[in-house]
Amino acid sequence: EVQLVESGGGLVQPGRSLKLSCAASGFTFSNYYMAWVRQAPKKGLEWVATISTSGSRTYYPDSVKGRFTISRDNAKSSLYLQMNSLKSEDTATYYCARILGFTMAGDYWGQGVMVTVSS
Amino acid sequence: DIVMTQSPFSLAVSEGEMVTINCKSSQSLLSSGNQKNYLAWYQQKPGQSPKLLIYYASTRQSGVPDRFIGSGSGTDFTLTISDVQAEDLADYYCLQHYSYPLTFGSGTKLEIK
Repeated sequence: EVQLVESGGGLVQPGRSLKLSCAASGFTFSNYYMAWVRQAPKKGLEWVATISTSGSRTYYPDSVKGRFTISRDNAKSSLYLQMNSLKSEDTATYYCARILGFTMAGDYWGQGVMVTVSS
Repeated sequence: DIVMTQSPFSLAVSEGEMVTINCKSSQSLLSSGNQKNYLAWYQQKPGQSPKLLIYYASTRQSGVPDRFIGSGSGTDFTLTISDVQAEDLADYYCLQHYSYPLTFGSGTKLEIK
């Protein structure tokens, strides 16, 4: 059974940093692209980052480019999101997602972790 | 960036009825290489994470009931739910997975009368 479990969320002050983790199991992690998607409270979904199988290629929207870094450790079947210079508008539930084949669409999602940026 | 315009914002139907949700992209999502449309549909039930229903515009994800049908090509797409069940109460989102940055529609809230 595919499982994705996020951790590392919490309350953080504006301008500070936070690192999210996603532990994967039930599939061969190194064979899949992975992504982070977020959802602000009572709002829609926003794609945040995608990483290739080896980690050599990463993709971000302009809203987080230069502030967020996606990475992975295939030996530990783990995905990460380093978030720097956090802003109030980064407040959201962050989901880890496995990418389906070559589609770039997420087929399995974790339960999400809440990040609140506030002073 | 590709803008996804989703409609309606919300709708309410009775069990057994059919619903259609629309999604329009600002650019074609049809790949000339493989003739596939890079449009996905997600269902998000209250308090849950999103679930993939449809990808490549019309390919149903494994385990998804055949009541869920995706159609369309180019820039205009539709998710049809036939014989709506109470368990279909959810928010539905389209996603263009054609190019980065990936972009979602604004969502449609389905309520059951």
